[in-house]
Amino acid sequence: KQEVTQIPAALSVPEGENLVLNCSFTDSAIYNLQWFRQDPGKGLTSLLLIQSSQREQTSGRLNASLDKSSGRSTLYIAASQPGDSATYLCAVTNDYKLSFGAGTTVTVRA
Amino acid sequence: GAGVSQSPRYKVAKRGQDVALRCDPISGHVSLFWYQQALGQGPEFLTYFQNEAQLDKSGLPSDRFFAERPEGSVSTLKIQRTQQEDSAVYLCASSLDGSGANVLTFGAGSRLTVL
Repeated sequence: KQEVTQIPAALSVPEGENLVLNCSFTDSAIYNLQWFRQDPGKGLTSLLLIQSSQREQTSGRLNASLDKSSGRSTLYIAASQPGDSATYLCAVTNDYKLSFGAGTTVTVRA
Repeated sequence: GAGVSQSPRYKVAKRGQDVALRCDPISGHVSLFWYQQALGQGPEFLTYFQNEAQLDKSGLPSDRFFAERPEGSVSTLKIQRTQQEDSAVYLCASSLDGSGANVLTFGAGSRLTVL
């Protein structure tokens, strides 16, 4: 069974600092990896999707890397803002199923 | 519609009651998924439909859980004789197909509290 782990569980940084969120998974036979954002009481918003053949994806201040052989992904958020405060979830796809980590809750202090 | 719509957003049930949670996926989306998210955890897969066919129900926790999508669009997740451990947010998601190449669009979820 695919196991996905996210470290740290929570993170608090001052505004402007760069954020580094880590995700690891046990089964490297994945189809893709996604990073989601979840705000309290809301659903999940997909931030970045990395296909298994890719090494990274970028969108604005967000950059995600994927090392499938070592079972790791890292999400970088540059120049954090208070609006970035949320829970960030990593999920890997085997066939059609997503396996999620428990998330990293980020607080950006103004 | 523009997004995935779920209702009710909040449901409080007494232990032993039956509940039904509804999901309206994005029009034209073939694949539909249900996930269960317990407090402080990531979502866990429950079941998967392609059109009206339920192709995988391996994540349903017990035979008290039942899901259907009779016409290949709207789906209902039914929980019979609810227990306290059923308290969670139930998320519905849809995609153009289930290949994994398409991004899943999630609804806001239905938060179930069983007293």
